[in-house]
Amino acid sequence: EDQVTQSPEALRLQEGESSSLNCSYTVSGLRGLFWYRQDPGKGPEFLFTLYSAGEEKEKERLKATLTKKESFLHITAPKPEDSATYLCAVQADTGGFKTIFGAGTRLFVKA
Amino acid sequence: NAGVTQTPKFQVLKTGQSMTLQCAQDMNHNSMYWYRQDPGMGLRLIYYSASEGTTDKGEVPNGYNVSRLNKREFSLRLESAAPSQTSVYFCASSEGQGVGYTFGSGTRLTVV
Repeated sequence: EDQVTQSPEALRLQEGESSSLNCSYTVSGLRGLFWYRQDPGKGPEFLFTLYSAGEEKEKERLKATLTKKESFLHITAPKPEDSATYLCAVQADTGGFKTIFGAGTRLFVKA
Repeated sequence: NAGVTQTPKFQVLKTGQSMTLQCAQDMNHNSMYWYRQDPGMGLRLIYYSASEGTTDKGEVPNGYNVSRLNKREFSLRLESAAPSQTSVYFCASSEGQGVGYTFGSGTRLTVV
């Protein structure tokens, strides 16, 4: 069964304190792994797609990496405005249009 | 702004009542989706439409029906609401498989 597990559930950082969020996945064959950001009361906002192990994507203070079993979202020198829930999702190459989402990591960045 | 528009934003229903959640996208995307989001759980797929004229069940379809009215619009209907359907509902769209989704801002539904 395809599964996505995110850790930690919540992460509290001081402004400027770099860290990483983990997304472990089990899928028969990976079509794509996705990262989203979700602010309270809003819909998820697409950040990155990763397709194969070794691939990396960057956007401002965020960098996503992918291995055959997990993905990391590295946050460098975070700011309070980076506070949000970060969602990881996978789509299997045999899953048609079905994307499986993890429960998310809630990130709090204190000034 | 281009994107996915959902209506209504909030709704309270009594058990047994029916309602339709509306969703429209203006990005000319082929595929559209309905998800529900509950505390502590990931987004779960209810129904999706790979292209205009087709619909398929997702992970949690029981108690729901959908209609892909045209390429832009994809509605979700609750025929007889139950308290277990209290949730936040998100509509999303994409160009196809293997690409990220654009989500709407959600409908917060409470069934009492």
